Amino acid sequence: NAGVTQTPKFQVLKTGQSMTLQCAQDMNHEYMSWYRQDPGMGLRLIHYSVGAGITDQGEVPNGYNVSRSTTEDFPLRLLSAAPSQTSVYFCASSYSGDSAEAFFGQGTRLTVV
Amino acid sequence: KNEVEQSPQNLTAQEGEFITINCSYSVGISALHWLQQHPGGGIVSLFMLSSGKKKHGRLIATINIQEKHSSLHITASHPRDSAVYICAPMEYGNKLVFGAGTILRVKS
Repeated sequence: NAGVTQTPKFQVLKTGQSMTLQCAQDMNHEYMSWYRQDPGMGLRLIHYSVGAGITDQGEVPNGYNVSRSTTEDFPLRLLSAAPSQTSVYFCASSYSGDSAEAFFGQGTRLTVV
Repeated sequence: KNEVEQSPQNLTAQEGEFITINCSYSVGISALHWLQQHPGGGIVSLFMLSSGKKKHGRLIATINIQEKHSSLHITASHPRDSAVYICAPMEYGNKLVFGAGTILRVKS
């Protein structure tokens, strides 16, 4: 059982470049979400999705786009990377409904220079 | 005011000691996760609980929904327990809110 798979694990970008962080889950979870983790800030919600075709903004959505064309995949796009987006990014998934256990990917460490 | 307060922020213990990490939250929740993150590593869910107490090996988690408080206990701590422990209440609608984490170091 693969669980939640994130790729890549590490990435260095130049300011202004674009890239997509991939997240896939094989548990048929409806709910998927993206977080960023910065020192001293804890994890903060970027975007989330409650099912295919439905996405919404979280706490820190600026500079990021998402889409959810399938239940399995929830990619996070940086259209024009900025140094402020240097962070560790985590994807998570769970069934919808109360008291659903969340599963996390291994994280993507992104550096924007 | 943060929605989730964890204490202590940093904790150093000797191997074998009993450890307690506390979490207080202000939001209404359906459940609460305790998460573990090793340095440079991914995030693993240790527990998800919505009432009472759960035990996995040397780890025990308790929650008091009325008082909006949860604790994570580690009995007979070991250096491999060194990690960041994060309290993450789950609001209705699956949204997680996160504490800042407790950095635990267990010395041999």
